[in-house]
Amino acid sequence: TQLLEQSPQFLSIQEGENLTVYCNSSSVFSSLQWYRQEPGEGPVLLVTVVTGGEVKKLKRLTFQFGDARKDSSLHITAAQPGDTGLYLCAGAQGAQKLVFGQGTRLTINP
Amino acid sequence: GAVVSQHPSWVICKSGTSVKIECRSLDFQATTMFWYRQFPKQSLMLMATSNEGSKATYEQGVEKDKFLINHASLTLSTLTVTSAHPEDSSFYICSARGGAGEDGANVLTFGAGSRLTVL
Repeated sequence: TQLLEQSPQFLSIQEGENLTVYCNSSSVFSSLQWYRQEPGEGPVLLVTVVTGGEVKKLKRLTFQFGDARKDSSLHITAAQPGDTGLYLCAGAQGAQKLVFGQGTRLTINP
Repeated sequence: GAVVSQHPSWVICKSGTSVKIECRSLDFQATTMFWYRQFPKQSLMLMATSNEGSKATYEQGVEKDKFLINHASLTLSTLTVTSAHPEDSSFYICSARGGAGEDGANVLTFGAGSRLTVL
C-alpha cells in the first residue's frame, strides 16, 4: 500500500492568517485529490490534480501537485472560521482505490 | 452531480447482533464501490472494494467473514457487520466511482457515512 504522509495533523490559527498543508509520498500517483470533511459527514471533493507541476485555485485555496507527482500542497490565504474542518489528501492508485493521508484538522479562530 | 446515499446515518445495536448498512448511487451506475472505516479524529481506512456481480476485495487485516459485502446491482452495495462488538463501533463511509473527472481522473463520490455504536 502506498502511504501518504500529511502534515501537520493539527493546526489552529487566527482568522486572516495563511497556512499550508502538505501531502507527501515516496510513490507516484496518477492523480491526487483533496477533500474536506465536516463532523458526521462524508468527505467532499475540493479538487483533483493530475499533471505534475499543476496548480489549481479555488477562491482562497491553492492546490499544487509536485513535478514528480509524489507530493501536493494546499495553501489557504486569509483563513476564515468557515474554513475549519478536516482536510484530507488522497492519492489514486491507477483507476481503482484511493489512499488517504492522515488528515489535517484545521481550526480557524475568530 | 453524482450523489451517493448511505443508510442508516446512525445505528445503535446490542453486542452480538448484525447490522446492515446500505450504499446507493442515486443517479449513476457504479460497478465499483468502496467501503471505508473512520475512527474519531482519524483519517479514512479502506476496508474493501465492492465489485458488482463478484466478490469483494478486502484490504489486509480486514476480516471478510466479519464485514460481509454484497454488491448485487449497479446502484447498491451493502456492508453487514456480523456479530457486532463494541470495538466495531465506528463511522463507516462508502464511496462510488461516478465517472471521469474533468481531467479524466478517478473521481469518487462519498456517502454521508453511517455511525455505528455497539453497546
